[in-house]
Amino acid sequence: GESVGLHLPTLSVQEGDNSIINCAYSNSASDYFIWYKQESGKGPQFIIDIRSNMDKRQGQRVTVLLNKTVKHLSLQIAATQPGDSAVYFCAENIPGSGGGADGLTFGKGTHLIIQP
Amino acid sequence: SQTIHQWPATLVQPVGSPLSLECTVEGTSNPNLYWYRQAAGRGLQLLFYSVGIGQISSEVPQNLSASRPQDRQFILSSKKLLLSDSGFYLCAWRRLAGIYDSYNEQFFGPGTRLTVL
Repeated sequence: GESVGLHLPTLSVQEGDNSIINCAYSNSASDYFIWYKQESGKGPQFIIDIRSNMDKRQGQRVTVLLNKTVKHLSLQIAATQPGDSAVYFCAENIPGSGGGADGLTFGKGTHLIIQP
Repeated sequence: SQTIHQWPATLVQPVGSPLSLECTVEGTSNPNLYWYRQAAGRGLQLLFYSVGIGQISSEVPQNLSASRPQDRQFILSSKKLLLSDSGFYLCAWRRLAGIYDSYNEQFFGPGTRLTVL
């Protein structure tokens, strides 16, 4: 089963606002985390990643925050645009196990809806 | 650069018919390969994974099977489709992870939308 869960299945935000998508993970041994974006009818695409020895990483308009104390991961999207509408998955790497053959373990996903 | 292909993109099949979905990867060697299924509005369910030619592991017992006849080819099959086999099928690959190589992503293909009627 999946050990990574999300707080909200759907998040609706106004265009131009910042979006925050949350993810809780249960395995304290996880050493690497990724956020994926999946647009309708397409495969998931890499957005940003973070190693467990970091607590923040920034990309273009996106920031990932990692709080290992409470096993929480978040994705912040600045100035949300219509093209940001998608399902967002968090994924964790559990060393030596999980996800089959060193595969990632995925959360259930959050559907981000952008209101005009 | 690496690319991953899946075909067909969409497929409509009657109940009881056979299935063959193909996935190929270019630009890398000896990848770990994965088949996922995604029901509408749901998350990713890992079906099979493979660490090498002819090596298949099943995560979920079901009506499907997988094969890896070549290093960069992964096939998902069924002898008789069920209605419950409908879904979005995703193939993915990942570089073989070692002790010091956990920090790499999985790359997904474009997916195959299967509708069983």
